[in-house]
Order: sequence, then structure tokens, then C-alpha cells
Amino acid sequence: AQSVTQLGSHVSVSEGALVLLRCNYSSSVPPYLFWYVQYPNQGLQLLLKYTSAATLVKGINGFEAEFKKSETSFHLTKPSAHMSDAAEYFCAVTPGGGGADGLTFGKGTHLIIQP
Amino acid sequence: KAGVTQTPRYLIKTRGQQVTLSCSPISGHRSVSWYQQTPGQGLQFLFEYFSETQRNKGNFPGRFSGRQFSNSRSEMNVSTLELGDSALYLCASSGEADTQYFGPGTRLTVL
Repeated sequence: AQSVTQLGSHVSVSEGALVLLRCNYSSSVPPYLFWYVQYPNQGLQLLLKYTSAATLVKGINGFEAEFKKSETSFHLTKPSAHMSDAAEYFCAVTPGGGGADGLTFGKGTHLIIQP
Repeated sequence: KAGVTQTPRYLIKTRGQQVTLSCSPISGHRSVSWYQQTPGQGLQFLFEYFSETQRNKGNFPGRFSGRQFSNSRSEMNVSTLELGDSALYLCASSGEADTQYFGPGTRLTVL
């Protein structure tokens, strides 16, 4: 079974500051990990994914995440926040390979950007 | 390449009715998954179809069902609607790389 914990339902940062959104997972098998972003009244947009290749993963819009097996973490970072980054962010896990298992999502983190 | 499309985008039904939602995957994708998103429960997996076969399902009552057609389009049906079924229903399609790409969702309101 898999589970995802996102620490902080709301995170507020100033424009230009570092963005750090935390995600910890548990999985009985090597996982695939994902970060998605959701803007109001829209579906989920893939930011980046980890599928057992490089542990540091770069995604769209300047975001990146590092897979740390020893810490069971997959935190999302961006060096400099932009107003357009304000949205809901979801971390998700699925057992690696196969494709039949659904994604297990965290509860989400609402990112607020202060001008 | 066109993304995942879902129809309708908004739907209002009354308790006891049934509803059918439609999803067209990205061209070439053979796997379609469905999720329910609510403020209280978050995003929950409903079921996954591949080549017209349901391969996996989440923990939802039998009122929730689905199917997939030979062209990979999928439909989801909810019978005997309850107030708690009000949610955003998201469809995602996946190709060979196990990455799921989501549609815009169907907002279902049950009155």
C-alpha cells in the first residue's frame, strides 16, 4: 500500500523567495513519484516525475524535486517564486511500472505568493 | 497533440438520478483512469481501464461503474446519485511511460 503526506496545507512565500513544498511517501515497492499543480476550476497539470532514473528531477516552470530514499521524501522546490505560481500542488505516488494502479495523492498544499 | 477531453464540463442532477460522464484520452493512449476530487476526501482513485478491461478499482460502492470502448474513450456512470457524490470527476490517460495526463474535469452537483 502507498500513502503520501504533504506537510502544510497552506504555504505562503514572498515573490522572489524560495518555494519549498514538502512531500513524504510510504510504499512497499519502489515508487514512481509525481508533482501536479491545479489552478482554480482546472484539472491537474504534471510538473515533474521520478521514475527511478536520476534522483534530482527538473520539471516545468523552474520547479525541481529530489528523491531521497533514506528520508522517503520528494520535496518540491523553486528558487524564486512568481505570482503565477499561486495554485494547489499535489504530490502523488504509484508502484513503479505496470500502470494499472491508480495514483495515491497527498491532501495538497495551497501555495500563496505575497507581493 | 490534443489533450484529454471530458464532457460535459458541468452537470447538475438531483438525488436518485443517474449520470454518465465521458472522457477522450490523448491519441495513442490506451489506459484511462478516473478520480473523484472533493474538499473533504481529496483526490481518490475510482478505476482504471486498459484495452476495454478494468484492471483496478478503488474503494467505491458499486453505484460507480465505468467502461472503455475500442477507441479507448471511456465513460463513467454513477447510479442513484447521493448528495455526497457532488465532486469534480477527473479523467487521466496514460501511454507507455506510466505518466498520467489529466483532463479539465466534470463538475457534478447533486441537489
